Amino acid sequence: SAVISQKPSRDICQRGTSLTIQCQVDSQVTMMFWYRQQPGQSLTLIATANQGSEATYESGFVIDKFPISRPNLTFSTLTVSNMSPEDSSIYLCSVRTSGTYTQYFGPGTRLTVL
Amino acid sequence: RKEVEQDPGPFNVPEGATVAFNCTYSNSASQSFFWYRQDCRKEPKLLMSVYSSGNEDGRFTAQLNRASQYISLLIRDSKLSDSATYLCAVTGGADGLTFGKGTHLIIQP
Repeated sequence: SAVISQKPSRDICQRGTSLTIQCQVDSQVTMMFWYRQQPGQSLTLIATANQGSEATYESGFVIDKFPISRPNLTFSTLTVSNMSPEDSSIYLCSVRTSGTYTQYFGPGTRLTVL
Repeated sequence: RKEVEQDPGPFNVPEGATVAFNCTYSNSASQSFFWYRQDCRKEPKLLMSVYSSGNEDGRFTAQLNRASQYISLLIRDSKLSDSATYLCAVTGGADGLTFGKGTHLIIQP
Protein backbone atom coordinates (compact mmCIF):
# COMPACT_ATOMS: atom_id res chain seq x y z
CA SER A 1 0.00 0.00 0.00
CA ALA A 2 1.02 3.62 -0.51
CA VAL A 3 2.73 5.60 2.23
CA ILE A 4 0.64 8.65 3.07
CA SER A 5 1.70 11.63 5.16
CA GLN A 6 -0.30 14.58 6.39
CA LYS A 7 0.77 17.94 7.71
CA PRO A 8 0.16 19.28 10.27
CA SER A 9 -0.54 16.32 12.51
CA ARG A 10 -2.47 18.56 14.87
CA ASP A 11 -3.29 22.21 15.38
CA ILE A 12 -5.21 24.50 17.67
CA CYS A 13 -6.78 27.44 15.89
CA GLN A 14 -8.88 30.47 16.69
CA ARG A 15 -12.39 30.76 15.32
CA GLY A 16 -12.65 32.74 12.11
CA THR A 17 -9.24 31.65 10.83
CA SER A 18 -8.41 29.07 8.15
CA LEU A 19 -6.14 26.05 8.13
CA THR A 20 -4.70 24.22 5.15
CA ILE A 21 -3.94 20.53 5.54
CA GLN A 22 -1.52 18.82 3.18
CA CYS A 23 -1.61 15.21 2.06
CA GLN A 24 1.39 13.65 0.31
CA VAL A 25 1.58 10.14 -1.16
CA ASP A 26 4.79 8.36 -2.06
CA SER A 27 3.44 7.08 -5.37
CA GLN A 28 0.96 8.15 -8.00
CA VAL A 29 -2.58 7.23 -7.11
CA THR A 30 -5.79 7.28 -9.07
CA MET A 31 -8.00 8.93 -6.51
CA MET A 32 -7.65 10.96 -3.36
CA PHE A 33 -10.36 11.68 -0.84
CA TRP A 34 -10.88 13.82 2.24
CA TYR A 35 -12.85 12.60 5.25
CA ARG A 36 -13.82 14.07 8.59
CA GLN A 37 -14.17 12.16 11.84
CA GLN A 38 -15.86 14.17 14.55
CA PRO A 39 -15.41 13.17 18.19
CA GLY A 40 -17.03 9.84 18.89
CA GLN A 41 -18.28 9.52 15.33
CA SER A 42 -17.35 7.56 12.28
CA LEU A 43 -15.77 8.87 9.11
CA THR A 44 -17.75 11.11 6.77
CA LEU A 45 -16.63 11.73 3.21
CA ILE A 46 -16.13 15.43 2.51
CA ALA A 47 -15.07 15.30 -1.13
CA THR A 48 -13.16 13.55 -3.85
CA ALA A 49 -10.06 15.50 -4.86
CA ASN A 50 -9.85 15.47 -8.65
CA GLN A 51 -6.54 16.07 -10.34
CA GLY A 52 -6.72 19.10 -12.58
CA SER A 53 -10.35 19.92 -11.92
CA GLU A 54 -12.70 20.98 -9.14
CA ALA A 55 -13.30 18.57 -6.29
CA THR A 56 -16.56 16.65 -6.05
CA TYR A 57 -18.28 17.47 -2.78
CA GLU A 58 -20.70 15.33 -0.80
CA SER A 59 -24.02 16.62 0.40
CA GLY A 60 -23.54 19.05 3.27
CA PHE A 61 -20.06 20.15 2.24
CA VAL A 62 -19.34 23.16 0.01
CA ILE A 63 -16.30 24.49 -1.78
CA ASP A 64 -16.35 27.85 -0.01
CA LYS A 65 -15.97 26.16 3.35
CA PHE A 66 -13.64 23.32 2.30
CA PRO A 67 -11.64 24.33 -0.77
CA ILE A 68 -9.54 21.45 -2.10
CA SER A 69 -6.65 21.38 -4.48
CA ARG A 70 -4.98 18.49 -6.24
CA PRO A 71 -2.26 19.78 -8.53
CA ASN A 72 -0.78 16.35 -9.32
CA LEU A 73 -1.24 12.64 -8.68
CA THR A 74 0.61 12.56 -5.36
CA PHE A 75 -0.49 15.69 -3.49
CA SER A 76 -3.67 17.34 -2.27
CA THR A 77 -4.66 20.05 0.17
CA LEU A 78 -7.83 20.67 2.15
CA THR A 79 -8.52 24.07 3.63
CA VAL A 80 -10.95 24.51 6.48
CA SER A 81 -12.15 28.10 6.11
CA ASN A 82 -13.60 30.54 8.62
CA MET A 83 -13.40 27.94 11.34
CA SER A 84 -15.82 27.53 14.22
CA PRO A 85 -15.64 25.14 17.19
CA GLU A 86 -17.96 22.77 15.28
CA ASP A 87 -15.10 22.19 12.84
CA SER A 88 -13.04 20.55 15.58
CA SER A 89 -12.43 17.12 14.19
CA ILE A 90 -9.88 14.76 12.72
CA TYR A 91 -9.40 15.30 9.01
CA LEU A 92 -8.07 12.33 7.04
CA CYS A 93 -7.00 11.95 3.48
CA SER A 94 -7.23 8.62 1.76
CA VAL A 95 -6.04 7.22 -1.54
CA ARG A 96 -7.17 4.59 -3.94
CA THR A 97 -5.06 3.00 -6.64
CA SER A 98 -6.37 1.91 -10.01
CA GLY A 99 -8.17 -1.39 -10.31
CA THR A 100 -9.43 -1.51 -6.75
CA TYR A 101 -11.93 0.17 -4.46
CA THR A 102 -9.68 -0.29 -1.45
CA GLN A 103 -8.75 2.93 0.31
CA TYR A 104 -5.77 3.60 2.55
CA PHE A 105 -5.73 6.42 5.04
CA GLY A 106 -3.22 8.98 6.09
CA PRO A 107 -2.48 9.49 9.79
CA GLY A 108 -4.97 12.34 10.09
CA THR A 109 -4.85 15.94 11.26
CA ARG A 110 -6.39 16.63 14.64
CA LEU A 111 -7.93 20.10 14.60
CA THR A 112 -9.20 21.96 17.64
CA VAL A 113 -10.97 25.28 17.14
CA LEU A 114 -11.30 27.54 20.14
CA ARG B 1 -32.61 4.57 7.91
CA LYS B 2 -28.86 4.99 8.32
CA GLU B 3 -26.80 3.87 5.35
CA VAL B 4 -24.44 1.62 7.29
CA GLU B 5 -25.33 0.38 10.75
CA GLN B 6 -23.26 -1.39 13.33
CA ASP B 7 -23.81 -2.36 16.95
CA PRO B 8 -21.54 0.09 18.78
CA GLY B 9 -20.91 -2.35 21.66
CA PRO B 10 -18.71 -2.45 23.57
CA PHE B 11 -18.23 -6.15 23.24
CA ASN B 12 -16.33 -7.43 26.26
CA VAL B 13 -14.84 -10.79 25.33
CA PRO B 14 -12.41 -13.04 27.22
CA GLU B 15 -9.10 -13.76 25.57
CA GLY B 16 -9.26 -16.84 23.39
CA ALA B 17 -12.96 -16.55 22.69
CA THR B 18 -14.64 -16.18 19.32
CA VAL B 19 -16.53 -12.98 18.57
CA ALA B 20 -18.64 -11.93 15.61
CA PHE B 21 -19.93 -8.57 14.41
CA ASN B 22 -22.53 -7.77 11.81
CA CYS B 23 -22.95 -4.66 9.73
CA THR B 24 -26.03 -3.84 7.63
CA TYR B 25 -26.11 -1.52 4.66
CA SER B 26 -29.01 0.13 2.88
CA ASN B 27 -27.62 0.77 -0.60
CA SER B 28 -28.34 -2.33 -2.66
CA ALA B 29 -26.07 -0.97 -5.40
CA SER B 30 -22.99 -1.21 -3.18
CA GLN B 31 -20.34 -3.32 -4.84
CA SER B 32 -17.37 -3.39 -2.52
CA PHE B 33 -17.19 -4.04 1.20
CA PHE B 34 -14.46 -3.69 3.76
CA TRP B 35 -13.61 -4.09 7.40
CA TYR B 36 -11.23 -1.54 8.91
CA ARG B 37 -9.66 -1.55 12.32
CA GLN B 38 -9.20 1.72 14.19
CA ASP B 39 -7.14 2.03 17.32
CA CYS B 40 -7.65 4.93 19.68
CA ARG B 41 -6.49 8.23 18.16
CA LYS B 42 -5.18 6.48 15.06
CA GLU B 43 -6.29 6.32 11.44
CA PRO B 44 -8.38 3.38 10.18
CA LYS B 45 -6.30 0.53 8.83
CA LEU B 46 -7.65 -1.95 6.34
CA LEU B 47 -8.30 -5.31 7.97
CA MET B 48 -9.77 -7.11 5.01
CA SER B 49 -11.90 -6.75 1.96
CA VAL B 50 -15.10 -8.79 1.89
CA TYR B 51 -15.73 -10.93 -1.15
CA SER B 52 -18.99 -12.46 -2.29
CA SER B 53 -17.76 -15.97 -1.60
CA GLY B 54 -16.49 -15.05 1.84
CA ASN B 55 -12.83 -14.89 2.73
CA GLU B 56 -10.51 -15.80 5.54
CA ASP B 57 -7.25 -14.29 6.72
CA GLY B 58 -5.75 -16.15 9.62
CA ARG B 59 -8.09 -15.80 12.60
CA PHE B 60 -10.40 -13.43 10.72
CA THR B 61 -13.29 -14.48 8.50
CA ALA B 62 -15.49 -12.07 6.59
CA GLN B 63 -18.75 -12.90 4.86
CA LEU B 64 -21.19 -11.04 2.66
CA ASN B 65 -24.93 -11.66 2.43
CA ARG B 66 -26.24 -9.59 -0.46
CA ALA B 67 -29.83 -10.78 -0.11
CA SER B 68 -30.06 -9.51 3.45
CA GLN B 69 -27.57 -6.71 2.86
CA TYR B 70 -25.16 -7.40 5.66
CA ILE B 71 -21.53 -8.26 6.11
CA SER B 72 -20.01 -10.05 9.06
CA LEU B 73 -16.63 -10.37 10.70
CA LEU B 74 -15.63 -13.35 12.83
CA ILE B 75 -12.56 -13.30 15.02
CA ARG B 76 -11.37 -16.62 16.40
CA ASP B 77 -8.99 -17.19 19.30
CA SER B 78 -9.13 -13.51 20.17
CA LYS B 79 -5.98 -11.79 21.44
CA LEU B 80 -5.58 -8.82 23.72
CA SER B 81 -4.19 -6.94 20.73
CA ASP B 82 -7.51 -7.36 18.91
CA SER B 83 -9.00 -4.69 21.19
CA ALA B 84 -9.99 -1.86 18.88
CA THR B 85 -12.93 -0.34 17.04
CA TYR B 86 -13.97 -2.24 13.93
CA LEU B 87 -15.50 -0.18 11.14
CA CYS B 88 -17.36 -1.60 8.20
CA ALA B 89 -17.33 0.36 4.99
CA VAL B 90 -19.19 0.01 1.72
CA THR B 91 -19.01 1.76 -1.61
CA GLY B 92 -21.96 3.99 -2.35
CA GLY B 93 -23.07 6.15 -5.21
CA ALA B 94 -19.91 8.19 -5.14
CA ASP B 95 -16.36 6.91 -5.32
CA GLY B 96 -15.78 7.27 -1.62
CA LEU B 97 -16.68 4.87 1.16
CA THR B 98 -19.59 5.03 3.55
CA PHE B 99 -18.63 3.95 7.04
CA GLY B 100 -20.56 2.61 9.95
CA LYS B 101 -19.97 4.11 13.37
CA GLY B 102 -17.91 1.13 14.41
CA THR B 103 -18.08 -1.67 16.94
CA HIS B 104 -15.90 -1.32 20.01
CA LEU B 105 -14.22 -4.58 21.03
CA ILE B 106 -12.46 -5.13 24.35
CA ILE B 107 -10.56 -8.37 24.86
CA GLN B 108 -10.15 -9.12 28.53
CA PRO B 109 -7.32 -11.23 29.96
